[in-house]
Amino acid sequence: DGGITQSPKYLFRKEGQNVTLSCEQNLNHDAMYWYRQDPGQGLRLIYYSQIVNDFQKGDIAEGYSVSREKKESFPLTVTSAQKNPTAFYLCASSQTGGRAKNIQYFGAGTRLSVL
Amino acid sequence: SQKIEQNSEALNIQEGKTATLTCNYTNYSPAYLQWYRQDPGRGPVFLLLIRENEKEKRKERLKVTFDTTLKQSLFHITASQPADSATYLCALGVNNNDMRFGAGTRLTVKP
Repeated sequence: DGGITQSPKYLFRKEGQNVTLSCEQNLNHDAMYWYRQDPGQGLRLIYYSQIVNDFQKGDIAEGYSVSREKKESFPLTVTSAQKNPTAFYLCASSQTGGRAKNIQYFGAGTRLSVL
Repeated sequence: SQKIEQNSEALNIQEGKTATLTCNYTNYSPAYLQWYRQDPGRGPVFLLLIRENEKEKRKERLKVTFDTTLKQSLFHITASQPADSATYLCALGVNNNDMRFGAGTRLTVKP
């Protein structure tokens, strides 16, 4: 069953703590993305990666970091420098060629809260 | 400044009627536009994509129009059902793989 798996579904962060959100896909997609969703706002792009070992900052990258060591995996770390991390985090993937290249497939999300 | 506006935060309609959702944008020149459905606590699911040189796209009970002069897309759900209740997001394709999302319209279809 192909798709994107995000874990955990819920995550709590203590003050000064770094936390890592997992995103795994078995769709064989080259491109992967991290978005943040806040109530009443559109999805905002944090980081994206078009290929293994390469990634670019999105509009709100400050306080976040990523890695792309494997095609299937694109973990997001929310660092202590992110002062307002409470949000719903969505991971997505897409092809980089062909007619379906612009369609993004999303995971079920991780809801991060601050203790 | 660049903006994407979806007509209203919430839209309530009666079952069987046609729901029409609006996406307006300013200071963007999108090559394509997409509509996604999002259920509470879930990730968005792709519905339709329409390119800048296309006026209309249909898929079953869904229809999307794209007017690059008015800078507007309309999303229609005909013969709406309570199961269509969800938040619908429009997304503009502004670069190769770069998309900008609207805040969404929450649609409620009442039986």
